[in-house]
Amino acid sequence: DQQVKQNSPSLSVQEGRISILNCDYTNSMFDYFLWYKKYPAEGPTFLISISSIKDKNEDGRFTVFLNKSAKHLSLHIVPSQPGDSAVYFCAASGQAGTALIFGKGTTLSVSS
Amino acid sequence: EAGVAQSPRYKIIEKRQSVAFWCNPISGHATLYWYQQILGQGPKLLIQFQNNGVVDDSQLPKDRFSAERLKGVDSTLKIQPAKLEDSAVYLCVTSLGVLTYNEQFFGPGTRLTVL
Repeated sequence: DQQVKQNSPSLSVQEGRISILNCDYTNSMFDYFLWYKKYPAEGPTFLISISSIKDKNEDGRFTVFLNKSAKHLSLHIVPSQPGDSAVYFCAASGQAGTALIFGKGTTLSVSS
Repeated sequence: EAGVAQSPRYKIIEKRQSVAFWCNPISGHATLYWYQQILGQGPKLLIQFQNNGVVDDSQLPKDRFSAERLKGVDSTLKIQPAKLEDSAVYLCVTSLGVLTYNEQFFGPGTRLTVL
């Protein structure tokens, strides 16, 4: 029973264009969502987060949108750069300090 | 600021052997998690510590896995005996505390291969 789903295993985008990574969740108790980025042979690193009281959070080229009614969030990267090529994990938490529930990840490839 | 340290980075063992992983958290981080990441999956929680106490070990296969966090700092995760399905990356993750949504910092992981 997967509570956090990333249905697209991979995404290919050209440099300069927008990358949109999607994530769906099933547990309505989740109230904090995060995106992590992972390069090969490294642990995931935190990218951006959003609380359930917001519907948008922006940090430079990265914006996360949350649609609570649809239980859906998305990560937008604009403009995409080759260095953004990595695996992106969506994660959710239902309570402060508890462990995160991760999706399976989406591999983003940005070509120059 | 030094990151989360883990060792070894890679380990290859045969099934039924024992193995141990070590984690040194970021200084001052009270909360420590061990996650298991099987190839093609997202990380999955095994155990969570708050200082040296266990907060959540509901997903830890206790017949073969054990973990401890002596003095609320370093932690070790042990598998005894290992099975083929234990092949995965074991990630140590730490954060400041439990009262707020703190960022969770991941170590580089230990890649375990069980033959």
